[in-house]
Amino acid sequence: ETGVTQSPTHLIKTRGQQVTLRCSSQSGHNTVSWYQQALGQGPQFIFQYYREEENGRGNFPPRFSGLQFPNYSSELNVNALELDDSALYLCASTVKTGQGYTFGSGTRLTVV
Amino acid sequence: QQPVQSPQAVILREGEDAVINCSSSKALYSVHWYRQKHGEAPVFLMILLKGGEQKGHEKISASFNEKKQQSSLYLTASQLSYSGTYFCGTEKDGSSASKIIFGSGTRLSIRP
Repeated sequence: ETGVTQSPTHLIKTRGQQVTLRCSSQSGHNTVSWYQQALGQGPQFIFQYYREEENGRGNFPPRFSGLQFPNYSSELNVNALELDDSALYLCASTVKTGQGYTFGSGTRLTVV
Repeated sequence: QQPVQSPQAVILREGEDAVINCSSSKALYSVHWYRQKHGEAPVFLMILLKGGEQKGHEKISASFNEKKQQSSLYLTASQLSYSGTYFCGTEKDGSSASKIIFGSGTRLSIRP
């Protein structure tokens, strides 16, 4: 098992810019979820992909979008960045429902 | 709907026991437990599926009361390595579209 890897680890962007965060899941992990974690808070669900289709979305605006690829990689795109988007972004994947999720180490995004 | 965790923080001396509670207002399919150390990714501890089972992992165990939609995490004879923030995450069904919603966490500090 290679685990879940995320890139980049840290990123600084200016308000209004766009950003793409990447995640590489373990082979066979058909489900990938993305979370936003503010300092001292629990992970907040952004959206989930299952076999390259979005099948669940949290309370985040449309400027948060994503993709999942056949090679178990995925990406989170955020347009028109706002200061409040500054947070740790985590991706997590699993083989199937009823199994634990493996988290990546996250991307720390700072919007200035 | 976000599950409610209690207490928000616990300070223990090494060797003492702790209980962390997680409750939901909605019927649940499963409860996940994760531990996150400062600056690291959440790490999966265990999952409890509806049926009221109790599971164990070293000196860490958990129970799930399906009727009350409550889960408790038990840490016995705590070790310094148990320090971190514990999150429960809940799933409402077992479909491929099921997503994990996390509580706000319980910060556990272990003192020598």
